[in-house]
Amino acid sequence: AQSVTQLGSHVSVSEGALVLLRCNYSSSVPPYLFWYVQYPNQGLQLLLKYTSAATLVKGINGFEAEFKKSETSFHLTKPSAHMSDAAEYFCAVSPSGGSYIPTFGRGTSLIVHP
Amino acid sequence: GAGVSQSPSNKVTEKGKDVELRCDPISGHTALYWYRQSLGQGLEFLIYFQGNSAPDKSGLPSDRFSAERTGGSVSTLTIQRTQQEDSAVYLCASSLDSGLAHYEQYFGPGTRLTVT
Repeated sequence: AQSVTQLGSHVSVSEGALVLLRCNYSSSVPPYLFWYVQYPNQGLQLLLKYTSAATLVKGINGFEAEFKKSETSFHLTKPSAHMSDAAEYFCAVSPSGGSYIPTFGRGTSLIVHP
Repeated sequence: GAGVSQSPSNKVTEKGKDVELRCDPISGHTALYWYRQSLGQGLEFLIYFQGNSAPDKSGLPSDRFSAERTGGSVSTLTIQRTQQEDSAVYLCASSLDSGLAHYEQYFGPGTRLTVT
């Protein structure tokens, strides 16, 4: 069984400030972890993924995430927010074996103030 | 190259009518997924196709929902006797090969279904 918890349905930051979106997971087997971004009226787009290689993963648009097994976390960060980062962000977990169906978190809406 | 496409982009239907939603995956992708996205609810898994294997229908919420995938490519999600609670955005995704779970999914833009 697997699950994902995204803390905070909304996160508000000022332009230029640090972005931190939290994701905690549970998985009975070593997981693969993903962050997706969804802009209004669009489908989801992959930001980055963790597949048991380096624990610090760099993605597109300056985002990165760190896999911390001891904390069962995969938080998404960006040093400096841009207005264009305003979107919905989803964390997802997929087991490395067994069912191939990923489980998604409920999403976090990132609001960027000028 | 072409991404995942879905049609229609918007569908308004009356309660009790049947609807069909279409998904064209990326060419060569063997795995196809349907999700339902309701406001504030994240993505709800509905059904998963992998190659010629029997689909995983474990996420379908009722027997009013069904899906098929013809020739390992195009998929159609059918909702019979629609109810107002079926109103949501229906997303389709495909991936290269879900036999290796770390392949990411590519999503279509979704079909927004409104049941009046």
